[in-house]
Amino acid sequence: DAKTTQPTSMDCAEGRAANLPCNHSTISGNEYVYWYRQIHSQGPQYIIHGLKNNETNEMASLIITEDRKSSTLILPHATLRDTAVYYCIALPGGGSNYKLTFGKGTLLTVNP
Amino acid sequence: SAVISQKPSRDICQRGTSLTIQCQVDSQVTMMFWYRQQPGQSLTLIATANQGSEATYESGFVIDKFPISRPNLTFSTLTVSNMSPEDSSIYLCSVSGQGRVFGPGTRLTVL
Repeated sequence: DAKTTQPTSMDCAEGRAANLPCNHSTISGNEYVYWYRQIHSQGPQYIIHGLKNNETNEMASLIITEDRKSSTLILPHATLRDTAVYYCIALPGGGSNYKLTFGKGTLLTVNP
Repeated sequence: SAVISQKPSRDICQRGTSLTIQCQVDSQVTMMFWYRQQPGQSLTLIATANQGSEATYESGFVIDKFPISRPNLTFSTLTVSNMSPEDSSIYLCSVSGQGRVFGPGTRLTVL
């Protein structure tokens, strides 16, 4: 699996966009970028994933650079309930049975 | 995506005892994954469980300490054996689906 690097922590004001960066400079051609979050004491929750095109769903947007070496998860209007640890993971496509390895993630704190 | 339930949701156990954690999925899945999350840490994969075969353990985890059963395609158990306070963690099961779907976790405290 490609190694991913994320900032340890970030702050965001409620109602503003939260932009969480992830570096994955060694990502291979068949690896997707997945984002999960873990709200305190709960199981991780899938947010979004992408290969090379930007993706958007009801939770967030994912912007992947053209060289695929980095990406940004965007929460367009952060709320207090978005306070969580966010994990960026590179995972082979079609590998639904592939083991998932978590790094330390980014603790996003949304402030009122 | 699959929906996962775990039992118990939390427990407090004495040193030297064992606890079996159950993971139930609402659909049939080929592989199930067991994770541990120690206090303040990220998730660490314990083992991967295929139905009908022995579980595959990650480095640092052994079958004698964490025996796993996988009797069918919707159910698995993880036993934490001969517990010590260092085993105090959240234990989570996971299955494939939208990348990976996770259960709510079992919070274990060992005194």
